[in-house]
Amino acid sequence: DAGVIQSPRHEVTEMGQEVTLRCKPISGHDYLFWYRQTMMRGLELLIYFNNNVPIDDSGMPEDRFSAKMPNASFSTLKIQPSEPRDSAVYFCASSFGTSGLLHYNEQFFGPGTRLTVL
Amino acid sequence: KNEVEQSPQNLTAQEGEFITINCSYSVGISALHWLQQHPGGGIVSLFMLSSGKKKHGRLIATINIQEKHSSLHITASHPRDSAVYICAVGEGGGADGLTFGKGTHLIIQP
Repeated sequence: DAGVIQSPRHEVTEMGQEVTLRCKPISGHDYLFWYRQTMMRGLELLIYFNNNVPIDDSGMPEDRFSAKMPNASFSTLKIQPSEPRDSAVYFCASSFGTSGLLHYNEQFFGPGTRLTVL
Repeated sequence: KNEVEQSPQNLTAQEGEFITINCSYSVGISALHWLQQHPGGGIVSLFMLSSGKKKHGRLIATINIQEKHSSLHITASHPRDSAVYICAVGEGGGADGLTFGKGTHLIIQP
């Protein structure tokens, strides 16, 4: 398997523009996570999905951020409008978990998208 | 919300030394993860554990659930082990989102 795929790898945009980050999880994985990494705050969970359904979006900073998972092989994280403080590396990760049972699995991370908002 | 503390924040050692990185958390968890982030930024999962001890090559991870503490050990350290090591915990059922420590920046000098 190619692993978790993210695009673009780098994005530079101007304040106020819409930004869309994309993620393709590992085939067969039923959990998908979006994380953000900054120097100040480290890694933070933004939102995660199970079987394409958002389960916990409490980490989404504000209404400017939205995430969707229209099918099992694709997810997007959208920022509209973008602001300089959104500059960070955004990671997508996926895992296989047996929902409802105490069964946990490691998460596989994508290479990340480095976002710079000017 | 779980508070995850790692120590030390930075560690420089000589090749061959035995390395220990510590992680403590404040609230009971379902699983603890050790991650490695390379200088290029990629993140790799090293271990996921909920009890006891796991070993993979020169890496050993232990966890004490009662004390809410985990350690990552590296035996016979090598310059290629230089990376940031991140402890992360999951609290809920299933493959839930993680809460991360700030990371330990490890440098192994030849």
